Amino acid sequence: GEDVEQSLFLSVREGDSSVINCTYTDSSSTYLYWYKQEPGAGLQLLTYIFSNMDMKQDQRLTVLLNKKDKHLSLRIADTQTGDSAIYFCAETQEAGTALIFGKGTTLSVSS
Amino acid sequence: NAGVTQTPKFQVLKTGQSMTLQCAQDMNHEYMSWYRQDPGMGLRLIHYSVGAGITDQGEVPNGYNVSRSTTEDFPLRLLSAAPSQTSVYFCASSPQGNTEAFFGQGTRLTVV
Repeated sequence: GEDVEQSLFLSVREGDSSVINCTYTDSSSTYLYWYKQEPGAGLQLLTYIFSNMDMKQDQRLTVLLNKKDKHLSLRIADTQTGDSAIYFCAETQEAGTALIFGKGTTLSVSS
Repeated sequence: NAGVTQTPKFQVLKTGQSMTLQCAQDMNHEYMSWYRQDPGMGLRLIHYSVGAGITDQGEVPNGYNVSRSTTEDFPLRLLSAAPSQTSVYFCASSPQGNTEAFFGQGTRLTVV
């Protein structure tokens, strides 16, 4: 079945770059997403990438997609303490339909 | 514009009690879904609906019922609560074909 895997924890210093990795098994995945969840809050969409793209950049965020290895990464440049949160990778075959989530990566940023 | 509204925010139930978690969206989205979030498990899909009158099961549907009589509302019913249903529940909506799912703030449910 479909599966999305992420490492559970990442700790970085303020100002460094953070790279959060995700692998997925469904080769028919069409849309891949990164969501951010702050403590006690819902999920906020950070960015997404279509499966026909290799890279997407949005301000401090860079998403890289390696379709051959089914590997997705999120790079946060100049990480700030406000970036501390849980980051979820998710995929779906059709936009607007059910999302399959990874277990989430807890990013801890120290000053 | 309220977006996706979930009520209540917190609830404590006794084993065997029933209750309904409410979810409403004012964006005229066709697609709505319910997820539960457990520590170390990420979000798992319970039920979803692609439009009024249409519902389907997700990954973990047992113990939950849903209905979709209007586009705006998608309630989640627990008929006989069990401690295993202690979790944080999120409702989401999205327009068909759009890339973004909008999430509610969640309902934290404890079953004792």
